[in-house]
Amino acid sequence: EAGVAQSPRYKIIEKRQSVAFWCNPISGHATLYWYQQILGQGPKLLIQFQNNGVVDDSQLPKDRFSAERLKGVDSTLKIQPAKLEDSAVYLCASSLEGSLVRAFFGQGTRLTVV
Amino acid sequence: AQSVTQLDSHVSVSEGTPVLLRCNYSSSYSPSLFWYVQHPNKGLQLLLKYTSAATLVKGINGFEAEFKKSETSFHLTKPSAHMSDAAEYFCVVSISNTGKLIFGQGTTLQVKP
Repeated sequence: EAGVAQSPRYKIIEKRQSVAFWCNPISGHATLYWYQQILGQGPKLLIQFQNNGVVDDSQLPKDRFSAERLKGVDSTLKIQPAKLEDSAVYLCASSLEGSLVRAFFGQGTRLTVV
Repeated sequence: AQSVTQLDSHVSVSEGTPVLLRCNYSSSYSPSLFWYVQHPNKGLQLLLKYTSAATLVKGINGFEAEFKKSETSFHLTKPSAHMSDAAEYFCVVSISNTGKLIFGQGTTLQVKP
């Protein structure tokens, strides 16, 4: 079974630049999550999609972060403009619809803002 | 509000000795609880999950956890640590009506030879 695919694996940008991350979830998974994991902390949910609709984006800094999930499959997360404190690993996860099932995580994109 | 607290940020054990990683949760609903492991430069991997069936849950690699409602705890244990167990461990609670996952701060497990 193919897992959750994310790209790129690593990205280094200067502050005030923009960056985009891509996620391809497991086929058939209706729920897609984007998490931000700052070094030394647990992952924090940024946004949760159910198919192509947003379920929860309460912790997404909407002045600079945006995300979309076209056709309920792939998703992109964008940061514009980036700040130093955005340096983190951005994790994408997907699951079958419902809360009792497990989520499968991608390997993440490590972003460094200099 | 749902939350999860991992009581130790760092645990160090010797190879072959028992492992105990502590987790307390707060939930207004009957919770679903998970333990995930994260090895360096690798994705998060599910160790085990509790979803209101048996209170003692067995997972992969010899790990198990016991759900104790009276203590609001979901501690992770393993009888004998292996060097390959060294990693970051996360206790996670799922909000039952949304599927949202809330992570604890993580516990770093160090295994000494």
